[in-house]
Amino acid sequence: DAGVIQSPRHEVTEMGQEVTLRCKPISGHDYLFWYRQTMMQGLELLVYFNNKAVMDDSGMPKDRFSAKMPNASFSTLKIQPSEPRDSAVYFCASSLAGSSYNEQFFGPGTRLTVL
Amino acid sequence: DAKTTQPTSMDCAEGRAANLPCNHSTISGNEYVYWYRQIHSQGPQYIIHGLKNNETNEMASLIITEDRKSSTLILPHATLRDTAVYYCIVRVDGLWGQNFVFGPGTRLSVLP
Repeated sequence: DAGVIQSPRHEVTEMGQEVTLRCKPISGHDYLFWYRQTMMQGLELLVYFNNKAVMDDSGMPKDRFSAKMPNASFSTLKIQPSEPRDSAVYFCASSLAGSSYNEQFFGPGTRLTVL
Repeated sequence: DAKTTQPTSMDCAEGRAANLPCNHSTISGNEYVYWYRQIHSQGPQYIIHGLKNNETNEMASLIITEDRKSSTLILPHATLRDTAVYYCIVRVDGLWGQNFVFGPGTRLSVLP
């Protein structure tokens, strides 16, 4: 398997622009997670899905962030309008439900810079 | 969920065992201890997890004290490629969300 795939790997945009980050989970995985990592806050969980349904988005700023999973093999995280404080590395991870083996597989991340 | 405390940083000589401690004194009976690591510029990587018995896999060993209030991750023969930030997380099996929190972790430097 190719692992979790994220695109783009790097994104530079100007404040106020819309940004869309994309993620393809590992085939067959039914959980998908979006994290954000900054030097100040560390690794934060923004939102996660189970079988395409949002299970918890309490970590996600609702006014400008939106996450979708239209099918089992694709998810997007959209920021509109983007702000400099959104600059971070965004990771997508996926996991297969199980009784006690809940390893999350992380993608390589998207480094977002908002000028 | 229980919180964890880890040393900010540690050094280890190449080829020696790296022992990374984690305190989780408020852990409850149904919470597992998970370890992940993050090598610079990469996504976190799962290492190992356990409930109360010691666990070993091809990457590491996990030693959990009898009272489960602390644990130690052991990398038996550390290499330069093991230089990373190591995260200890406790969570109830089957639950995700804000209960699965990556703290600041321990920055392990393996020295030649």
